[in-house]
Amino acid sequence: GAVVSQHPSRVICKSGTSVKIECRSLDFQATTMFWYRQFPKQSLMLMATSNEGSKATYEQGVEKDKFLINHASLTLSTLTVTSAHPEDSSFYICSALSGGAPDTQYFGPGTRLTVL
Amino acid sequence: SQQGEEDPQALSIQEGENATMNCSYKTSINNLQWYRQNSGRGLVHLILIRSNEREKHSGRLRVTLDTSKKSSSLLITASRAADTASYFCATDVYPQGAQKLVFGQGTRLTINP
Repeated sequence: GAVVSQHPSRVICKSGTSVKIECRSLDFQATTMFWYRQFPKQSLMLMATSNEGSKATYEQGVEKDKFLINHASLTLSTLTVTSAHPEDSSFYICSALSGGAPDTQYFGPGTRLTVL
Repeated sequence: SQQGEEDPQALSIQEGENATMNCSYKTSINNLQWYRQNSGRGLVHLILIRSNEREKHSGRLRVTLDTSKKSSSLLITASRAADTASYFCATDVYPQGAQKLVFGQGTRLTINP
């Protein structure tokens, strides 16, 4: 149980385009999901907390107009990188909180974004 | 900002040996968790230890927590090649009632056959 999926797993796009990444909890409902970014050989940095039915809470330094988050249902959160630039190239990982184990975040497999 | 500091940053040992990784943190916590990440993949939850616990076991994993020193260690016994991965500690932060995890820098573990 507690499986989280992400789609796509890899995406390559041109500079200036927008990219949407989906995060789904497959076998549980997640009122809270999190989005992280990870640069090569570095740790995960929390970008934002996504709550179902309300606005996301962004970490300091993360541009909310550039990284749009929508948590429209209890099983789906989306991250849209708008007007992507090469410096946005990174590994984006989502996680979800399960009500059955409120202290444990279950992570998706990640999405590798490359902006040319 | 990263709360956790992990050492060593990289560790290379022979298969069958034990691997120990350490994590230090700065603020008070409710619990501390350890995760594993294979290259280019997501994180796998290994173990959670609460602030009122001192030691916890799960299979070949042993985690200790010393809240007075704000530190934790992860011991992997009888290591296997499949244990090769990066290991992260994460502490919970509850600003304004919302759970957040703050990750350490990680230890890259290599198990040599």
